[in-house]
Amino acid sequence: GDSVTQMEGPVTLSEEAFLTINCTYTATGYPSLFWYVQYPGEGLQLLLKATKADDKGSNKGFEATYRKETTSFHLEKGSVQVSDSAVYFCALSDGSGYSTLTFGKGTMLLVSP
Amino acid sequence: DAGVIQSPRHEVTEMGQEVTLRCKPISGHNSLFWYRQTMMRGLELLIYFNNNVPIDDSGMPEDRFSAKMPNASFSTLKIQPSEPRDSAVYFCASINTGLYTEAFFGQGTRLTVV
Repeated sequence: GDSVTQMEGPVTLSEEAFLTINCTYTATGYPSLFWYVQYPGEGLQLLLKATKADDKGSNKGFEATYRKETTSFHLEKGSVQVSDSAVYFCALSDGSGYSTLTFGKGTMLLVSP
Repeated sequence: DAGVIQSPRHEVTEMGQEVTLRCKPISGHNSLFWYRQTMMRGLELLIYFNNNVPIDDSGMPEDRFSAKMPNASFSTLKIQPSEPRDSAVYFCASINTGLYTEAFFGQGTRLTVV
């Protein structure tokens, strides 16, 4: 079945550091890929998405590129802020008629001033 | 739209009691998911409805768990009897699969079974 593997956290960075959170996936067909973010005490919110190979999703300074050849969708940000501290989830949808989301286990990001 | 609405936000109950979690999806969304989140297992899909019909309930941990969606605007997840290991945050999410953009999540119900 479909699966998503994320790097384990927590990832601890200083403000303005460069961020990479790795995500790889296993899926049949041509999945859509997502990054969701969960702030403390809240539900998940979509951060960005890509629906086909070589697409780049971007939002709030975060970027991720859909790499079919390496089955990856790594999340990057050039300069993190304290307010970016949250848990980040990589997810895929297999795009079938009854699409469901398969999530990775999440990576906690802690940014210190 | 107010988004996906879950109730209650917090629930503390004694082992053996029945617990009912509620979800109101976004109007016009045709699919609804129930997820459970724990530190050990992360996010687990429990059950998935499409047009009010359960499509995949393979993630429901055992017979103590049941879910219903009597109409397009309401779903429940029931645990009877509850056990301490059911303690988790339960999320409901909805999506319009015909205009597939993103899944919208509720704020979750934090369940504690003592």
